[in-house]
Amino acid sequence: LAKTTQPISMDSYEGQEVNITCSHNNIATNDYITWYQQFPSQGPRFIIQGYKTKVTNEVASLFIPADRKSSTLSLPRVSLSDTAVYYCLVGSTGRRALTFGSGTRLQVQP
Amino acid sequence: ETGVTQTPRHLVMGMTNKKSLKCEQHLGHNAMYWYKQSAKKPLELMFVYNFKEQTENNSVPSRFSPECPNSSHLFLHLHTLQPEDSALYLCASSQETLAGGLRETQYFGPGTRLLVL
Repeated sequence: LAKTTQPISMDSYEGQEVNITCSHNNIATNDYITWYQQFPSQGPRFIIQGYKTKVTNEVASLFIPADRKSSTLSLPRVSLSDTAVYYCLVGSTGRRALTFGSGTRLQVQP
Repeated sequence: ETGVTQTPRHLVMGMTNKKSLKCEQHLGHNAMYWYKQSAKKPLELMFVYNFKEQTENNSVPSRFSPECPNSSHLFLHLHTLQPEDSALYLCASSQETLAGGLRETQYFGPGTRLLVL
């Protein structure tokens, strides 16, 4: 399974755009990149998934360069409720569960 | 509402007790998972069930015993636990396909906060 590296923590202010980058140098051809969000004492929640280039949904955008060795989760105009831990996961098809790393703890301040 | 429910939400047990955690998914998925999350640690995968068959057991001690009677229910039976087993236990489900393809999202329940005294 591809190993991921993310910053341990980030700080931001309400209304700012937050970009969290994840490194996955040994990503395999069949691997997809998925981001989850977790609030304290709750289960992780799916945010976005992509394979290459750019993916956008109502919550976030995911930027993946051509070499796919990294990805960037972009949260536009964060609010206090976006304070959470964000996990970058890399996994492929088949009967294999995803491996969660340490995640990035985002703290949004007023 | 994630469609995955877990009971109980909180559990305190002694080391000699036997208890069970229950998970139910209402999403029609065919794969279910147990994860353990200790304080300030990443989620650790414990067990995976695909199509009701256990496909992964990540070197989990035998004091944890999973049971998957059907594709909608998953249990984790606990006995003679240790204080270091205190953690948040999370259940998740997903729809897996035999042919492969885009990895399906895992949907998590709210977890059971377990304290072993």
